[in-house]
Amino acid sequence: EIVLTQSPATLSLSPGESATLSCRASQSVDSYLAWYQQKPGQAPRLLIYDASNRATGIPARFSGSGSGTDFTLTISSPEPEDFALYYCQQRREWPITFGQGTRLEIK
Amino acid sequence: EMQLVESGGGLVQPGGSLRLSCAASGFTFSSYEMNWVRQAPGKGLEWVSDIRGSGSGTFYADSVKGRFTISRDNAKNSLYLQMNSLRAEDTAVYYCARAAIVALGTGPFDIWGQGTVVTVSS
Repeated sequence: EIVLTQSPATLSLSPGESATLSCRASQSVDSYLAWYQQKPGQAPRLLIYDASNRATGIPARFSGSGSGTDFTLTISSPEPEDFALYYCQQRREWPITFGQGTRLEIK
Repeated sequence: EMQLVESGGGLVQPGGSLRLSCAASGFTFSSYEMNWVRQAPGKGLEWVSDIRGSGSGTFYADSVKGRFTISRDNAKNSLYLQMNSLRAEDTAVYYCARAAIVALGTGPFDIWGQGTVVTVSS
């Protein structure tokens, strides 16, 4: 199966700093990579699909890039509500797999 | 409003069975692949199973293959997960999720339910 490795495990940011989250695949997933946000006690929410496309209603401060094995989620000047858990997911082949997550926290 | 609502979770003994349900509303249910995703306490997301819109094709994670069965009733706009031979490691919040329609393969999960808790313990 395709293993997705996210880094860092925890990202601590001061207000106004941009966030860069990484997701690396054990083999190419082409551009079939999505990013999800999860807040405590809530279901995940789709942010980015196919590496760089924002889902409906997602603010422009969220952007995704990459292809093949290396992907990045960037959050420009995170708002207080953006401090949460983030997961990447590949749909290139079965089984669908998720990364282990990156926690974005306020420094 | 497009919505998914899970039910059927609870406490079950090891070796027991449970059937989860997911009621869909606000969209044409039969047009979409549906999935189950679970999250053990304090852990990340784990994909469990997928079913095509027509119900003709199903896929499972190795960890549940042979024990869990996904099904759907398009007339009732409902998705199910029959879980047999449950183990302690199946303890998790179980989410149903809709896969967006895409040109190739299974789409990203664009709508999620709120989850139902399954606890396997004696």
